[in-house]
Amino acid sequence: SYVLTQPPSVSVAPGKTARITCGGDNIGSKSVHWFQQKPGQAPVVVIYYDSDRPSGIPARFSGSNSGGTATLTITRVDAGDEADYFCQVWDNGYDHVVFGGGTKLTVL
Amino acid sequence: QVQLQESGPGLVKPSETLSLTCTVSGGSISSYYWSWIRRPPGKGLEWIGHVYNSGSTNYAPSLKSRVTISLDSSKNQFSLRLSSVTAADTAVYYCARDLSMDVWGQGTTVTVSS
Repeated sequence: SYVLTQPPSVSVAPGKTARITCGGDNIGSKSVHWFQQKPGQAPVVVIYYDSDRPSGIPARFSGSNSGGTATLTITRVDAGDEADYFCQVWDNGYDHVVFGGGTKLTVL
Repeated sequence: QVQLQESGPGLVKPSETLSLTCTVSGGSISSYYWSWIRRPPGKGLEWIGHVYNSGSTNYAPSLKSRVTISLDSSKNQFSLRLSSVTAADTAVYYCARDLSMDVWGQGTTVTVSS
């Protein structure tokens, strides 16, 4: 079945830019959604359909999907961005949803 | 706006069946995909399966033999049944709307223990 690969952790200093990658076979042909989950809270979608930002999500969050990798970019990172981030796709070959393993973002 | 709320027992005995319901308010259940997702302690998100408004379903391959997801349009609810549970099924269970999962319930903790 389809596999999405994320780095287990990313660390970034406040005010800098964090990039979280999500790799998968021919991922550019799929729509990628990104979720932020803070401890004790439900996940929240921060980017859907590769690069669209839901209402209420700051413009500091952006997404791209090309070259075999999808990337979530967070600019001007602050302590409130510390969370687990998951990518997700619909694998239409097998008719199921797949999540990446998740990336823990730490703000130094 | 649309809100989702999970409900069901917080404790289930091993080998028994876990049953949860997700109630949709502020909108109709008669469109979109409706998913169940879980997060075991110390692990990542795991998709369990979903039901479409037609009643058609898709399930995660690893759980397919034990899972049933159904829709009750008259009550604006959809449900999860997971049979023959073990400690490995202990998790926070969430319901969510559509493939983009743009709306989530708050989650409910289910512990499998005797």
